[in-house]
Amino acid sequence: EVQLVESGGGLIQPGGSLRLSCAASGFTVSNNYMSWVRQAPGKGLEWVSVMYSVVETHYADSVKGRFTISRDNSENTLYLQMNNLRAEDTAVYYCARENDGHSFGTWGQGTLVTVSS
Amino acid sequence: SYELTQPPSVSVSPGQTASITCSGDKLGDKFASWYQQKPGQSPVQVIYQDVKRPSGVPERFSGSNSGNTATLTISATQAMDEADYYCQAWDSNFWVFGGGTKLTVL
Repeated sequence: EVQLVESGGGLIQPGGSLRLSCAASGFTVSNNYMSWVRQAPGKGLEWVSVMYSVVETHYADSVKGRFTISRDNSENTLYLQMNNLRAEDTAVYYCARENDGHSFGTWGQGTLVTVSS
Repeated sequence: SYELTQPPSVSVSPGQTASITCSGDKLGDKFASWYQQKPGQSPVQVIYQDVKRPSGVPERFSGSNSGNTATLTISATQAMDEADYYCQAWDSNFWVFGGGTKLTVL
């Protein structure tokens, strides 16, 4: 069964750092395009970052320079390193696997990040 | 930056057809996807590549995309279809979502 399980969320002060994990099962992360998508409380979906390969990654302007996407092939896990966090980064963070047509066919259950003092 | 616009809400009576639109510049030249999200749950893909349904998605869900508008159509709408629906497109290595439409079945 194809599954994504996120972890690592929590309460963090503004300016702090946090690393999210997304453990995959049923498929190989390195053979797929993987993204992070977030959803602020009561708001819509916002794409955050994608990893095509270790040398090709892309970021939304709102997180560029602060967030870094990476993966561990041996652990079959995707990561999102978040630095210099701001209140507006408060959201549920989902990892998602891309399927045909640049669409997200598989989503994790999400992990909540709250940035507050 | 590319933007997608959806109506904030749509209402439909049970058994009737619901249509949710998504507008964007030359959206018909891109692939549109649709996601259903119920309260407290993760999004679920219901349409991809404009018209394709993932396995397990009921046949009453269909999609179209032409010109500047993509449309999600739900035929014979059921109470269980009440949810938020988001359209999505890809534009030069950026994924864009519409603001979402709350579908009310009443």
